[in-house]
Formats: sequence, C-alpha cells, structure tokens
Amino acid sequence: DGGITQSPKYLFRKEGQNVTLSCEQNLNHDAMYWYRQDPGQGLRLIYYSQIVNDFQKGDIAEGYSVSREKKESFPLTVTSAQKNPTAFYLCASKDRVGNSPLHFGNGTRLTVT
Amino acid sequence: AQSVSQHNHHVILSEAASLELGCNYSYGGTVNLFWYVQYPGQHLQLLLKYFSGDPLVKGIKGFEAEFIKSKFSFNLRKPSVQWSDTAEYFCAVNARNTDKLIFGTGTRLQVFP
Repeated sequence: DGGITQSPKYLFRKEGQNVTLSCEQNLNHDAMYWYRQDPGQGLRLIYYSQIVNDFQKGDIAEGYSVSREKKESFPLTVTSAQKNPTAFYLCASKDRVGNSPLHFGNGTRLTVT
Repeated sequence: AQSVSQHNHHVILSEAASLELGCNYSYGGTVNLFWYVQYPGQHLQLLLKYFSGDPLVKGIKGFEAEFIKSKFSFNLRKPSVQWSDTAEYFCAVNARNTDKLIFGTGTRLQVFP
C-alpha cells in the first residue's frame, strides 16, 4: 500500500538535544511538507519541498532544519534553538501534477523535557 | 503573504441541525481552497476542494462549500449533521502559482445525539 510513514510515533528528548523526525513516502510525490499541530493553533507550516535538493521555509521555520536528498524522504531536525519543541508533527506529500490534495502521515508526538 | 482565518473555534450541535463553518483567506491572487477533516484518532483527510469553475463544490459525506470571491470566503456547510461528523475541520489555501499550503486554526465540531 502506498502512503507516508512517520517514525517514531512518540519521541522523548531532553532539552538542549537535537532530534530528527523521519518521513518517508512511496507515493512518488514531488512535494513534501512538515507541519506542526498545536491545540487551538491548527497546522502551521514549518518547511516544504517541491523537488529533490530544494526546500523553502514555511511560517515557523526558526529552530528547525530539513534536507531533501531523496524524493521519498524529507527528515525534519528539531534543533536546540527551537523554543517550544514539544508538539505533534505532521508530514505530508502531494503530487505537483494537476491539483492533487495532500496525503498525511500519522504524525510524531515529540516531548522535550 | 497568504493567511487563513477560521472564526468558529468550537461548535456544538445536536444531530439533524444545520452546520456552517466560516473560512476567510487573505491573498490577492488566484487560490486553491480546501477543507480537511480529522476524525478522532485518524489522519487528516480531504473533505472537498475548489480550484475553478462552479463556486459551489460538493464533497464527501454530504458536505459542501461555497467560494465567494468578493468576500474571500469558503464556508463549509451541511444541511443535517450526524453524530459521526464529530471531528476537527480545517480550511486551507494555496496560491495558484505555489505549493505553499496554509491551514487555518481549525474548528472543533461536537455533535450530540
């Protein structure tokens, strides 16, 4: 089955540590996205990538970094510079051809203490 | 920069009541508009979308939305809600010439039998 895999489902880290969240898709989609979901704030765009080896900042990119070395993979690193890293992180992808919708992964809940 | 506003944060209805959830966006150019739904414990999934043509679009499960360009609005409606419609609803927009998809803060709908 085609889809988006985010791992792990739950992640715990100590403050001051960088942590990388995995996102893999086998849908052959060109565009991939990272969103952060917080209660009452909806989904806020962190980074997105329209093509391999290219990505753009979203609205809340500070304290995060990404890479897009392969079409199917778009890992997100939450750095120690992110002030409030504890959140639910959603990865998504879509086909750039036509007007296709986003497909979402199951999400990773990151807790930093 | 584009943005999306959802003014209803929490809506409580009885079954068979009619539903209208507001969505306004700010962007001067041509946009694609979406409503996504997140049922408890599930992925975000597409409810309906508007790209062009008839401004009244129909989605799954009896939902519809009307694009009113002059009001920059894309309100979601359903004539008669069911208990199974209990979920969180997100409006989203992207400028036609980009892949940057921005979401609203979401509306939590609770339907009581």
